[in-house]
Amino acid sequence: KQEVTQIPAALSVPEGENLVLNCSFTDSAIYNLQWFRQDPGKGLTSLLLIQSSQREQTSGRLNASLDKSSGRSTLYIAASQPGDSATYLCAAPDDKIIFGKGTRLHILP
Amino acid sequence: SAVISQKPSRDICQRGTSLTIQCQVDSQVTMMFWYRQQPGQSLTLIATANQGSEATYESGFVIDKFPISRPNLTFSTLTVSNMSPEDSSIYLCSVVGGFGTEAFFGQGTRLTVV
Repeated sequence: KQEVTQIPAALSVPEGENLVLNCSFTDSAIYNLQWFRQDPGKGLTSLLLIQSSQREQTSGRLNASLDKSSGRSTLYIAASQPGDSATYLCAAPDDKIIFGKGTRLHILP
Repeated sequence: SAVISQKPSRDICQRGTSLTIQCQVDSQVTMMFWYRQQPGQSLTLIATANQGSEATYESGFVIDKFPISRPNLTFSTLTVSNMSPEDSSIYLCSVVGGFGTEAFFGQGTRLTVV
């Protein structure tokens, strides 16, 4: 049974800093790894999808990497902004979508 | 990509009543999922909505409380029955086109039971 863990659970950093969010999964036989953003009281917005054959994906200031052998993915956010404040979730879509508990990110102006 | 329309976006309901949430997708998809997110918590999978057959429920969720319909490949409903304040949550539907494809979410239904 797939289990997804995210570290840290919460993170506060000053605006402008680069930061890394971590995601680990127990079953390396994944099809892909997806990162989402959730603003308070809202639904989920897909940020990046990394196919199992890929090692990383980039979108603007976001870069996500995937290491299937170690069961890890990281989301790198460059030059953080207050608008990046949200909860970030990783998931491994399969016959069902298993989520980590998320990292609550707060960017300090 | 898939665009998901989820209705209603929010509702305030009396305890003991039922609410049906609708999820409409702009394309045919194989897998549809229903999630609950209680205040301050992550997403918990309620069930997988299967087209043409009974939904598959996760541990702790039962059909009598959360009946689900999936009449075709673009539509599903989740009913929250005999509601209590503990059912106050955000309910989200999600779709995946197939193994190895991207997951998409509706904007969620914020339910408050009073």
